[in-house]
Amino acid sequence: DGGITQSPKYLFRKEGQNVTLSCEQNLNHDAMYWYRQDPGQGLRLIYYSQIVNDFQKGDIAEGYSVSREKKESFPLTVTSAQKNPTAFYLCASSRSTSGELFFGEGSRLTVL
Amino acid sequence: GEDVEQSLFLSVREGDSSVINCTYTDSSSTYLYWYKQEPGAGLQLLTYIFSNMDMKQDQRLTVLLNKKDKHLSLRIADTQTGDSAIYFCAEGIYGNKLVFGAGTILRVKS
Repeated sequence: DGGITQSPKYLFRKEGQNVTLSCEQNLNHDAMYWYRQDPGQGLRLIYYSQIVNDFQKGDIAEGYSVSREKKESFPLTVTSAQKNPTAFYLCASSRSTSGELFFGEGSRLTVL
Repeated sequence: GEDVEQSLFLSVREGDSSVINCTYTDSSSTYLYWYKQEPGAGLQLLTYIFSNMDMKQDQRLTVLLNKKDKHLSLRIADTQTGDSAIYFCAEGIYGNKLVFGAGTILRVKS
């Protein structure tokens, strides 16, 4: 079955550590996205990529980094520069930039 | 700029109809979407409407679009406890990424 897989589902990190969240899709979609969701808030776009080897900053890119070396994969690194990283992170993909988004099940990151 | 607004919370009794409203600002939207998010999960597409349509019905779901007022609504008939979730509307403009509202929490009381 086609879909988006995020891992890990839960992750704990000590302050000062970098952590990488995985996102893989087998839908053959060109565009991929990372969103952050905080309790009681909507989705905020971190980074997005419309094509392999290219990506753009979203609304809250500071303290995060991404890569897009393969069409199927769009990992997100939460760096120690991110001041408040505890959140629910959602990865999504779409056939085209303005098309329907397909979401993964999310990764919950907690900084201890 | 682009902005999508939704009311934050809606509470209904089981069996009643729910109406979730959304306003958007960009008149060049091509598609408008409704997503559902259950606790601790990702978002799932419920339905969408093309911008040249006024209404779309899909079983218990009815989407109404008033393009003049830039108003979108989602009606859920015979609301069930399993409909309790966060509902997001989003607008899609050709060539641009989707813009999401902050989400409406629907609570269904039995």
